[in-house]
Amino acid sequence: QVHLVQSGAEVKKPGASVWVSCKSSGYSFTNYYIHWVRQAPGQGLEWLGQINPNNGDTRYPQKFQGRATMTRDTSMNTAYMELRGLTSDDTAVYYCARLAFGSRISSHFDHWGQGSLVSVSS
Amino acid sequence: SSELTQDPAVSVALGQTVRITCHGDSLRIYYASWYQQKPGQAPILVMYAKDNRPSGIPDRFSGSSSGNTASLTITGAQAEDEADYYCNSRDSSGYHLVFGTGTKVTVL
Repeated sequence: QVHLVQSGAEVKKPGASVWVSCKSSGYSFTNYYIHWVRQAPGQGLEWLGQINPNNGDTRYPQKFQGRATMTRDTSMNTAYMELRGLTSDDTAVYYCARLAFGSRISSHFDHWGQGSLVSVSS
Repeated sequence: SSELTQDPAVSVALGQTVRITCHGDSLRIYYASWYQQKPGQAPILVMYAKDNRPSGIPDRFSGSSSGNTASLTITGAQAEDEADYYCNSRDSSGYHLVFGTGTKVTVL
């Protein structure tokens, strides 16, 4: 049974950095991309980027280039997302999600972590 | 701003049919997937690759696509279908993913 278990809630001050972890189990960790998605209070879902756990290759939308870093530890079957230079606008629930096998024209997330609340406040 | 647009809210009478739409130029090339999210919960996949339902999703959910529009239809809506629904696909470049703006479905 596939599980993605994320780290707990964090409270950070403006300007700080936060790490969120996502531990995978029940499947071969290196065979599936992990993506990160966030949701600010009362808002929609926002894609933060992806990592290929097999080789560590990453991809980020321009909005998060230079501010987000995604890494993985294959020995721990865990993916990590670091976000730097936090502001109150980064207060959100952060999710990791597994990208299912698909085709070039079809991408979908078949399993999600439970979410990690990151609160940024002075 | 999102490249995929959805109506902010729709309502449906119990047992009736509701269609949720997602518009975007990238949908002419890439399939959309659909996620249901209830308050305080992580999203769950309810439809992918236009009209494929994951196991465990009731067959009252169906999907379709035409041109720049993807649709999710609930035929015979139930009270438990009340939730936010998001579409997701690649952007026009094909390199990044993007979510729709979300639709709140209310079952009356």
